[in-house]
Amino acid sequence: NAGVTQTPKFQVLKTGQSMTLQCAQDMNHEYMSWYRQDPGMGLRLIHYSVGAGITDQGEVPNGYNVSRSTTEDFPLRLLSAAPSQTSVYFCASSDRGATGELFFGEGSRLTVL
Amino acid sequence: AQSVTQLGSHVSVSEGALVLLRCNYSSSVPPYLFWYVQYPNQGLQLLLKYTSAATLVKGINGFEAEFKKSETSFHLTKPSAHMSDAAEYFCAVSDERGDYKLSFGAGTTVTVRA
Repeated sequence: NAGVTQTPKFQVLKTGQSMTLQCAQDMNHEYMSWYRQDPGMGLRLIHYSVGAGITDQGEVPNGYNVSRSTTEDFPLRLLSAAPSQTSVYFCASSDRGATGELFFGEGSRLTVL
Repeated sequence: AQSVTQLGSHVSVSEGALVLLRCNYSSSVPPYLFWYVQYPNQGLQLLLKYTSAATLVKGINGFEAEFKKSETSFHLTKPSAHMSDAAEYFCAVSDERGDYKLSFGAGTTVTVRA
């Protein structure tokens, strides 16, 4: 079972560049979300979606865009990368009714120079 | 908004010793509480969750946690540490049933000494 798949696993960007982190899940989960993990700060919610065509902002949405055209995919776009966006990004999904039971991808480590 | 505080960013235990990781939550209503574990270079996986059914919750790999409303705590324990328990552990809280947005603590890294 693939579960939640994130690509790329590693990426280096220059300040001002844009890129998209891909996330796909094969469990038919309605809920998908993006978190960033920074040392000493745990995980912080960037954006989330409760179904295809529905997205909303989390705790730290600035500088990021998302869309949800299918149930399976939930890409995260960095519009103009900044050094403050250097982080490890995790995509997670959850089934309806399974409050808090998130399935995580293996993460994407992004460095912005 | 709900939040959790994990006491101690690093815990070092000897193999076979008790593992105790502390988590306190702030909530005006009964919350849903979770413990997740992250092994090196991997994503997080659910250890256990509290959803008001029972105050003592058993999870995977021999871990358990006790919900204490009077102390607003949800501490994680394992009676006997194993080398494979070396990982980072996160406490998390959800406001209410159906709310998929979790607030995570800062995490506690567990080191197990042989």
